[in-house]
Parts: sequence; structure tokens; C-alpha cells
Amino acid sequence: AQKITQTQPGMFVQEKEAVTLDCTYDTSDPSYGLFWYKQPSSGEMIFLIYQGSYDQQNATEGRYSLNFQKARKSANLVISASQLGDSAMYFCAMRVTGGGNKLTFGTGTQLKVEL
Amino acid sequence: DVKVTQSSRYLVKRTGEKVFLECVQDMDHENMFWYRQDPGLGLRLIYFSYDVKMKEKGDIPEGYSVSREKKERFSLILESASTNQTSMYLCASSWAPGQGAYEQYFGPGTRLTVT
Repeated sequence: AQKITQTQPGMFVQEKEAVTLDCTYDTSDPSYGLFWYKQPSSGEMIFLIYQGSYDQQNATEGRYSLNFQKARKSANLVISASQLGDSAMYFCAMRVTGGGNKLTFGTGTQLKVEL
Repeated sequence: DVKVTQSSRYLVKRTGEKVFLECVQDMDHENMFWYRQDPGLGLRLIYFSYDVKMKEKGDIPEGYSVSREKKERFSLILESASTNQTSMYLCASSWAPGQGAYEQYFGPGTRLTVT
């Protein structure tokens, strides 16, 4: 069975600073993918970034980067230069090959960006 | 842009009522999913469908059924609503494995209250 663990229920960061949201995962499948989603207070889930288990380089998308450490089974999201609009709930999720694109989600981290 | 729409943003129903939640996507995606989201539990998969009339149970199917008569539409049915089904319900869609990007696209969610 697959499992995603997010140990930080809530995080605070000052505007313009970088922040790391933790995510660890557990799977015995050698082929998998890791996702991060953002959920603002409006409720809609927004896809941020994807990392495949065989990707050699860490994924980046603008101010988002995924710090992928395969041996440690961690896939932390790094947000650089935080903005007030980054305040939201962030979910880490995993897909395993052969799982029909099903995702297993973590419990989420609520990020608050302060002035 | 991919668009996933859900029939209602807010819904209030009485215990014992039959409830229909509808989801429509406009990207010709093969896969569609229903999740429920509860505080501290993240998103949990109720059912998913990988083709018309095809469905598979997720992690928490008890008390729910689904219907997919057309490719673009996936309905979640609560046969006899109970108060423990009060939750946020999120629909999502994605390409089939190997046919495109892996990420799931989410609708805005339906906040269901059962009284």
C-alpha cells in the first residue's frame, strides 16, 4: 500500500522568504510519480509540480521546486520568494504505475504568508 | 484549458435522502474520480472510473455508488444520506496512463451538509 506523510499541519513564513513543505512517501513500487497541489480558501485544487521516480533532475516550475531525495523517500516542496497569494493548503500526492492514475494524498500543510 | 464542473457548490440535504452529485469534464479524459475531503484526513478516494460504464472502488466506497453513462459525466450517488457523509466532495479527471500528462484536474468542489 502507498502512503504519503505530511508532518506539518501549519506553517508560517514571512513574505519574500523561501519555505519548505515536507513530504515523505512509502511505496514498494519502483515506478511512481509525486505531485504537489495547492488549495486556496476557494476550495479548488491547483496542480503545481510533478516529479517522476526516474527523473534525474529535481522538477521546477517558476517559484516552485521539488526537492526529491529518493533514498530518503522525501519529496519536499520549496517555494521561493513567498507571496501573500501563496497562503493556502498544500497537498502532496503519489501515483504508482499500474494504479490507473489513482492518487494517494497526504493530510496537507496549511501555509500562511505574513507581511 | 481543462474544465471540470460540479453541479453545486453548496448542498444541504436531510438524513435518508438520496443525493446526486454530478461532475462534467470537457477534455475527453478517460479517467474520472470522486474524492471526499475532511479536515486532518486529506483527500480520500471514493470511486473512480477508467471508461464509460467502468468503475472501481476506491478507499472509502461504503455508502456511495457511481454512474458513468457518458464519457464526460461522472455522478456520485448517496443512496441514503447520513450525517457522517457531511463533507467536501471533489471530482477530478485525467488522461489514461500513457496517453498524456499524469496530473488530475479538479472541479471546484461541493460542500455537502446532511442534517
